[in-house]
Order: sequence, then C-alpha cells, then structure tokens
Amino acid sequence: QQPVQSPQAVILREGEDAVINCSSSKALYSVHWYRQKHGEAPVFLMILLKGGEQKGHEKISASFNEKKQQSSLYLTASQLSYSGTYFCGTELAGAGSYQLTFGKGTKLSVIP
Amino acid sequence: SQTIHQWPATLVQPVGSPLSLECTVEGTSNPNLYWYRQAAGRGLQLLFYSVGIGQISSEVPQNLSASRPQDRQFILSSKKLLLSDSGFYLCASRRDRDSPLHFGNGTRLTVT
Repeated sequence: QQPVQSPQAVILREGEDAVINCSSSKALYSVHWYRQKHGEAPVFLMILLKGGEQKGHEKISASFNEKKQQSSLYLTASQLSYSGTYFCGTELAGAGSYQLTFGKGTKLSVIP
Repeated sequence: SQTIHQWPATLVQPVGSPLSLECTVEGTSNPNLYWYRQAAGRGLQLLFYSVGIGQISSEVPQNLSASRPQDRQFILSSKKLLLSDSGFYLCASRRDRDSPLHFGNGTRLTVT
C-alpha cells in the first residue's frame, strides 16, 4: 500500500521553511524518511515508530500522527544542501508485515 | 553499524541476456533484506524482501527472481532481460522492524 506524499515539488530560497507530508489509508507501524540526491542512493534521515512521536535531526524534524496515519517532515532554515528528493517509506501495522513501501517522492530545490 | 556491498555499480546488458546482482551485508546477523528498483526520475518500487534464509516474498510479478542462499547474501536474478528491466537497483538492509533501512550504493542497469 503506497503512501501518498505531498507536495510533489517545492522550490525554496535559502533560509525558508518547508513541510512535506506523507499519508496512508491503513494503520502504520512505522514511517521512515529519506533524502536522495541525483544519481545516488537514498540516505536515511529518521524513523518514527509510535503515535504522536516527533524526532529531530539538526534543522530537520518529523512527526507521526498514528491516529491519522500521517507523518510530516519539517525542514527549517533550509540550506542549499537540503536539495534533493525526499521519500517517505511506510510499514503497515500488524504482525508479519515487513514490507516497506515508499511514496513517489517530493522534489525539493533550494536556491540562493 | 551495517555496511551493504552491492556490485557492479553500472551494467549494460542486451535484451534476452541473464542477470545476476549480488548484495552482501556486514555488521549484523539475520537482517531483513530488500531489493528495490527505481526507474529514471521515478520512485522506489519494492521488488522482493526476505526475513530469513530461503524466505523470499515477491511484490511484483515479473521476470525477476531473488534468492537468499546465506544469512547476509541477497541475489537478484533474471533468465532473460527485457528493455523494461532498465533502472537503478538498490539493495537495502535493516536489523529488525524497529531499525532504519539502509541502502547500498545501487547498480544502474541499462538493457539495450
């Protein structure tokens, strides 16, 4: 069950903030966030396991609303290095579910 | 931490030829292993995953197959490649459901 990401693309000037959303129609066990630069493999940003959990990594943080099956990635005071495509990956709740399925991605471009 | 070895980095193969991509993992035992494919400019498509030796789950029916002959070895194969098999193939590994998924550097396959 592929999660839905929004927006598909966003352009920011350095220092601006952005929010990327990820939603599922089914109950989730976990949400993973990754950033991929052109021609490279995705790089892990963070994993959220429990409802209402929020995590932070420098100026990048994320929340996970278990009841709504939604997660959001927050990028504050964006830097040029934040440019890339962001993917959320979700794993459904329930025993024996090991499928980790990714959304179509959000292309983020940070300009000077 | 885990290290994921994936080779080759690039591969050009004619239509109808066989394929074998190998992935090995260091730094953890009994990992969950995954094969993803990414078409140019697209998202990550889950192909196969494995939670143990000899246990393979297929997500997309196609002319590809996967095997896990050893605990930390995951192989993606095809008997006859199609043009549509071109893409960026990524092996990924995680310790368990509560751990991040880490990707190898990927193999860029072009079928001509």
